[in-house]
Amino acid sequence: DQQVKQNSPSLSVQEGRISILNCDYTNSMFDYFLWYKKYPAEGPTFLISISSIKDKNEDGRFTVFLNKSAKHLSLHIVPSQPGDSAVYFCAASEGNQFYFGTGTSLTVIP
Amino acid sequence: EAQVTQNPRYLITVTGKKLTVTCSQNMNHEYMSWYRQDPGLGLRQIYYSMNVEVTDKGDVPEGYKVSRKEKRNFPLILESPSPNQTSLYFCASSLSRAFSYNEQFFGPGTRLTVL
Repeated sequence: DQQVKQNSPSLSVQEGRISILNCDYTNSMFDYFLWYKKYPAEGPTFLISISSIKDKNEDGRFTVFLNKSAKHLSLHIVPSQPGDSAVYFCAASEGNQFYFGTGTSLTVIP
Repeated sequence: EAQVTQNPRYLITVTGKKLTVTCSQNMNHEYMSWYRQDPGLGLRQIYYSMNVEVTDKGDVPEGYKVSRKEKRNFPLILESPSPNQTSLYFCASSLSRAFSYNEQFFGPGTRLTVL
């Protein structure tokens, strides 16, 4: 049973606009949430993380928001760039175990 | 260059023939982990290791074995592979679970096909 869900398999956004990727989870014991980016034929690369005791974390163009009451996580990319086109995975950890979503394929249109 | 390496990158084998996928990291990381990626299921954790000689099951450990005899290496062993283990496998490592950011560095992946 999927504990981390990404319900949008794909998303297209115009260059310069905001990209919002969403993630829902079911386990209230998750202590950290992370976003990874994956290009074809490569392993995922870490993007940004947030502790369960925070509700926002920013790193340059990337901001992650956590709504614990809704068990919802989102990644905002502003402004979106063509190089951001990739598959984005949401992940959550409980102790030493990690759970990943199914990914959202983002296409940024020039 | 800091990296996680996996070998082989591609492997086609037959049911029941034991195989090992190697994973090595050069960052002196304590935590290492194996994942498999399947369409519609995302990445699922198979096994992880907190340090040398310390391993534990992830979400989908059935049919797999691991060992951690040295800090840098974390091989994945399929004693008797079956077609449902056809998948894309990733090894990952991170400095320690004690650090808050929990960033894992992933290898390039191993595409395994079991006929």
